[in-house]
Amino acid sequence: KQEVTQIPAALSVPEGENLVLNCSFTDSAIYNLQWFRQDPGKGLTSLLLIQSSQREQTSGRLNASLDKSSGRSTLYIAASQPGDSATYLCAVGGTGGFKTIFGAGTRLFVKA
Amino acid sequence: SAVISQKPSRDICQRGTSLTIQCQVDSQVTMMFWYRQQPGQSLTLIATANQGSEATYESGFVIDKFPISRPNLTFSTLTVSNMSPEDSSIYLCSVESQGNNEQFFGPGTRLTVL
Repeated sequence: KQEVTQIPAALSVPEGENLVLNCSFTDSAIYNLQWFRQDPGKGLTSLLLIQSSQREQTSGRLNASLDKSSGRSTLYIAASQPGDSATYLCAVGGTGGFKTIFGAGTRLFVKA
Repeated sequence: SAVISQKPSRDICQRGTSLTIQCQVDSQVTMMFWYRQQPGQSLTLIATANQGSEATYESGFVIDKFPISRPNLTFSTLTVSNMSPEDSSIYLCSVESQGNNEQFFGPGTRLTVL
C-alpha cells in the first residue's frame, strides 16, 4: 500500500531564503508525482507535474525533482516571498489503476 | 488546464439534513473525482464518478451516505446525506487531463454541520 510522507510538517523562514520541501513514497511503481499549493480553506492549485520517466520540472522559482528508485521528491523554492505562504502537498499517482495518494502537506510561512 | 467551479462555496447545515454540491468543468472529461479534506488533514478520495455508470466508492464511503450523479461529461454532484458534525470538511471536485493525467481541483465547498 502506497504511503506518502512530507517533511517537515511546518516551516517558517524569512523572506528571500531558498528552501526545500521533501516528499517520500514507499512504492516506487508510480505513474507520476504532482506538487500542489493550497491556501487556507481553498482548493488545490497544481504547481508541477513530473512523469515517472522524468527527473525534474521547473516553473519560475519552483523546481521539483523525482528520484523513483529512492522514493523521493523535493520541491525547491528560490528566493521565497510572503506570497508563497501556503500548504504544499505532494501527490503520487499510481500505476495499474491505483489511485492518487496525497501527503499530509508542509505548511510554509514566509516572514516579511 | 481545466477550469472547475463548485457550488456552494460554503454552507452551514443542521444535523440530519442533506447538502448537494455541484461541480462544473469547462471541458469534457471521462472521470471526475470527489475528495474530502477534514480539518487539518490531507485529502481522502471519496469516489470516482464516470459518466453513464455508477460511481466507484473507496473503502469507508458508501452510496447511501454520499450519492453521486454524473449526468454528462462536464458536470457532477455529490450529496452528503443525513449529516453529522463529523461530516464537517472541505469537499473537493477534481478531474484529470486526458493527455498527461495532471490533476486539477475545484475551489472546494467548506461544509460546517452543527
